[in-house]
Amino acid sequence: AQTVTQSQPEMSVQEAETVTLSCTYDTSENNYYLFWYKQPPSRQMILVIRQEAYKQQNATENRFSVNFQKAAKSFSLKISDSQLGDTAMYFCAFRRAGSYQLTFGKGTKLSVIP
Amino acid sequence: DGGITQSPKYLFRKEGQNVTLSCEQNLNHDAMYWYRQDPGQGLRLIYYSQIVNDFQKGDIAEGYSVSREKKESFPLTVTSAQKNPTAFYLCASSIDQGSSQINTEAFFGQGTRLTVV
Repeated sequence: AQTVTQSQPEMSVQEAETVTLSCTYDTSENNYYLFWYKQPPSRQMILVIRQEAYKQQNATENRFSVNFQKAAKSFSLKISDSQLGDTAMYFCAFRRAGSYQLTFGKGTKLSVIP
Repeated sequence: DGGITQSPKYLFRKEGQNVTLSCEQNLNHDAMYWYRQDPGQGLRLIYYSQIVNDFQKGDIAEGYSVSREKKESFPLTVTSAQKNPTAFYLCASSIDQGSSQINTEAFFGQGTRLTVV
């Protein structure tokens, strides 16, 4: 079974600064996908970024980027130039290739301070 | 606009009653899912369905039931057998993830908050 661990229950960052959220996972699989989802106060889950395990290049989406370390089973999310709208819960998720199941971490509550 | 619609947004249930949460999608997605979210917890999978008339139990299926009579719809019934049903419920859908397609993410609805009174 896969597990996803987010070791930071809460974090805060000053507006315009950079913050990194941690995620580690445990799997014996070689082919899988990793995701970061954002859940703002509206509570709708929104995909932030995804990474295919077979790709060595780290994914980037505007101000969001990941540091994917396959050997270390680490998948951190970096948010640059933090904005007030980034305030949300952030969930790391894992999916084995060919599986229908997403395994989520318990989330990190991020607060952006003006 | 394409998306996933969950209704109602808030639902109150008396103890011993069954209630049904609605989930409809117009994304033409094959797979649909129900997750439960509790404070301080991640999302836990209740049931999922890959195709019409087929569904599989997730990690916490006890006390819940589902049906998939149409591709667009995947209602969840919370039965009286569910001992602690107060939670936030999220429905999601995705393109068939059994293949090697790139679009492997799940799209979520806005959720239903269920409270037992």
